[in-house]
Amino acid sequence: GQQLNQSPQSMFIQEGEDVSMNCTSSSIFNTWLWYKQDPGEGPVLLIALYKAGELTSNGRLTAQFGITRKDSFLNISASIPSDVGIYFCAGHLSDTGRRALTFGSGTRLQVQP
Amino acid sequence: SAVISQKPSRDICQRGTSLTIQCQVDSQVTMMFWYRQQPGQSLTLIATANQGSEATYESGFVIDKFPISRPNLTFSTLTVSNMSPEDSSIYLCSAGQLNTEAFFGQGTRLTVV
Repeated sequence: GQQLNQSPQSMFIQEGEDVSMNCTSSSIFNTWLWYKQDPGEGPVLLIALYKAGELTSNGRLTAQFGITRKDSFLNISASIPSDVGIYFCAGHLSDTGRRALTFGSGTRLQVQP
Repeated sequence: SAVISQKPSRDICQRGTSLTIQCQVDSQVTMMFWYRQQPGQSLTLIATANQGSEATYESGFVIDKFPISRPNLTFSTLTVSNMSPEDSSIYLCSAGQLNTEAFFGQGTRLTVV
């Protein structure tokens, strides 16, 4: 299947620090999504991006849809302990028209109070 | 957004047995999907559950192993058949409309012993 390369694999930061993670692919995506998964829960949608170059914010979270439609990044500013979890990028491939998602490998975030 | 409930939330099963997971959505949805999340891994699409017809399976997943039903627009089941320890995973139901992003249930944590 199609691969989304997500990095970093894990991060351990101090409370208050900013965080950045990104996803890249060799394929073009119509949509980029960022999810957060807490232990024992399903992924929760944080931000959805639909246009190349689009920059969208949701509180302390900011994400951008790359111009080439093959990459996206997520920034978290002023991290807090409840930001702990696994963050996944995901997207809809452009050449299929399907609504099923391809997921990145995830970034595990730990925040030291 | 739709509320998705999965049952059971977790189970421990003997190898060779089968488990049926239920996914109930609180409103009618166009799309329903089943994903697998192996320990420490990302989400992989098993199949798209089609209302009133056979599910569409991804490469590496077959109907005999993962039979899926979707009798109406709010309900679907996934059966994990003839289980082995390698089937130990979190199984996630996802649902949404054609023009909205899908939401996830809380998942079913399956352990096969």
